[in-house]
Amino acid sequence: DAGVIQSPRHEVTEMGQEVTLRCKPISGHNSLFWYRQTMMRGLELLIYFNNNVPIDDSGMPEDRFSAKMPNASFSTLKIQPSEPRDSAVYFCASSSGLANEQFFGPGTRLTVL
Amino acid sequence: KQEVTQIPAALSVPEGENLVLNCSFTDSAIYNLQWFRQDPGKGLTSLLLIQSSQREQTSGRLNASLDKSSGRSTLYIAASQPGDSATYLCAVRPIKAAGNKLTFGGGTRVLVKP
Repeated sequence: DAGVIQSPRHEVTEMGQEVTLRCKPISGHNSLFWYRQTMMRGLELLIYFNNNVPIDDSGMPEDRFSAKMPNASFSTLKIQPSEPRDSAVYFCASSSGLANEQFFGPGTRLTVL
Repeated sequence: KQEVTQIPAALSVPEGENLVLNCSFTDSAIYNLQWFRQDPGKGLTSLLLIQSSQREQTSGRLNASLDKSSGRSTLYIAASQPGDSATYLCAVRPIKAAGNKLTFGGGTRVLVKP
């Protein structure tokens, strides 16, 4: 298996623009997680899905952030409009079952100018 | 609210020395604990997962122990090598959390000097 796949790996955009991050979980995994990592706040869970259904989005910072999982093999995290404080590395992770190991993708480094 | 702490934040050891990394958590009601490794600019790699009913897990030179009652886990890396240089994070899954929600510590940045 190729592991969790994320695209793009790097994104540089200007304030106010829409940003869409993409994730393909490991085949067969039914839980998917979106995290954000910054130097100041460390690793934070934004939202997670189980069987394509959002279970907990309490970590989503504000309404500018939205996430979807239209099928078992694809998820998006969208920021609209983006702001400089959204600059961070965004990770997607997946697991099989609710209590099993989480496997992380390589991350998307987002820079909002 | 569950809080996970890793001290020290950074550690430097000569090659060959054993590494001891600490993780503490405030709520002992956990389902499991997971140790990760993160290389600069990379994602997280899962190292070991310890269920709450277990006291330790081993994989090669790595051994992780769990003392749930005292809220502590320790990751031992035997005979450290320069390739072990990375940031190590621990994360706990509280029983009370919905689903598989992990709470992460801040990590310990390790440098193994040749």
